[in-house]
Amino acid sequence: GEDVEQSLFLSVREGDSSVINCTYTDSSSTYLYWYKQEPGAGLQLLTYIFSNMDMKQDQRLTVLLNKKDKHLSLRIADTQTGDSAIYFCAESIRTTDSWGKFQFGAGTQVVVTP
Amino acid sequence: NAGVTQTPKFQVLKTGQSMTLQCAQDMNHEYMSWYRQDPGMGLRLIHYSVGAGITDQGEVPNGYNVSRSTTEDFPLRLLSAAPSQTSVYFCASSTGRGEGVYEQYFGPGTRLTVT
Repeated sequence: GEDVEQSLFLSVREGDSSVINCTYTDSSSTYLYWYKQEPGAGLQLLTYIFSNMDMKQDQRLTVLLNKKDKHLSLRIADTQTGDSAIYFCAESIRTTDSWGKFQFGAGTQVVVTP
Repeated sequence: NAGVTQTPKFQVLKTGQSMTLQCAQDMNHEYMSWYRQDPGMGLRLIHYSVGAGITDQGEVPNGYNVSRSTTEDFPLRLLSAAPSQTSVYFCASSTGRGEGVYEQYFGPGTRLTVT
């Protein structure tokens, strides 16, 4: 199967940490990604992790990958109002034409309250 | 660089009409794709292209045609619009090959309503 699942909504107070979770099913995934979509805009790549890594840190962002459970999470430290957006988890899957075909989750709406 | 551009930003069609959504990129990317975004369903791949002259179907290709005559342009044609095609359409281009990271760059989207 090629399903990527995420919870649909997360509310967090400004200054707290946010954790967005994602599960995927395709074991042939090579890279896993987190994208951010602000209102009225396209998707913007936030970070990615190679499937043989457990963790990746990039400033306020920490990505954790549990390959055994096929679970991916994105932690945002010190969440700010500018972090309010929809966050998409995605996996890229090798195909016969060597293109990383993407499978996206439904997106998690993060709302940051003062 | 303009990145990925899409026109129009908004469009209203009547059932049965046809139209073309335009997409262009100036990053010399080989790979381009079209997605549709519907509430609660994330992005679903419509068609993609791995280079000029080469296209293939994605997850939801019915009712849409594409062609790729140049590296820069990847238009999406709606043959006979239906209300089920009301959606936000995103074009993306990407770099990467083989085992590399496929960093996709997205356009701003076209919001299409079919009445």
